[in-house]
Amino acid sequence: EDQVTQSPEALRLQEGESSSLNCSYTVSGLRGLFWYRQDPGKGPEFLFTLYSAGEEKEKERLKATLTKKESFLHITAPKPEDSATYLCAVQAAGGSYIPTFGRGTSLIVHP
Amino acid sequence: KAGVTQTPRYLIKTRGQQVTLSCSPISGHRSVSWYQQTPGQGLQFLFEYFSETQRNKGNFPGRFSGRQFSNSRSEMNVSTLELGDSALYLCASSNLGQGGNIQYFGAGTRLSVL
Repeated sequence: EDQVTQSPEALRLQEGESSSLNCSYTVSGLRGLFWYRQDPGKGPEFLFTLYSAGEEKEKERLKATLTKKESFLHITAPKPEDSATYLCAVQAAGGSYIPTFGRGTSLIVHP
Repeated sequence: KAGVTQTPRYLIKTRGQQVTLSCSPISGHRSVSWYQQTPGQGLQFLFEYFSETQRNKGNFPGRFSGRQFSNSRSEMNVSTLELGDSALYLCASSNLGQGGNIQYFGAGTRLSVL
């Protein structure tokens, strides 16, 4: 069974204080790993897809990296508008395309 | 390009009633998935429809059902509502490609069961 564990569950940062969110996964062959951002009361917003170990993707202050066992979402010099819940999901190679989601990391950035 | 549209945004029902939620996918997307999101359980997969056929199903009771129309629009129905059905119901559409299945979510329908 595919498993995704995100840590920490919650993270509070001061504006400008860089940090990383972790997504550990167990899957029998990885087709893709996805990062989403979710604001309160809204649906998840797609951020990145990573397909193979060593791959990196960036968007503004966010950078996602991937190894064979985990992914990190690095947040550089965060701003209050980066406050949200960040979800990680994995899609296994073979079988259905249905991703398995982690519980998410709730990030609050204080001004 | 318009995103995934879910209606209604909010619903209040009482126990025992039934409810129907609607989802219009991104134009050209043929796969529609439904999820239930609660603070305690996170995002849980309900079912997926592709070309009007249910292709995958999560571990939910038969009170939860769905369908997809020829234009890829989808509906989800919950019968005999229970208090525990209160949740954010999310619809996601995708266009299968070689790189995997990126799911694009709607804003959700917030269902409250009283």
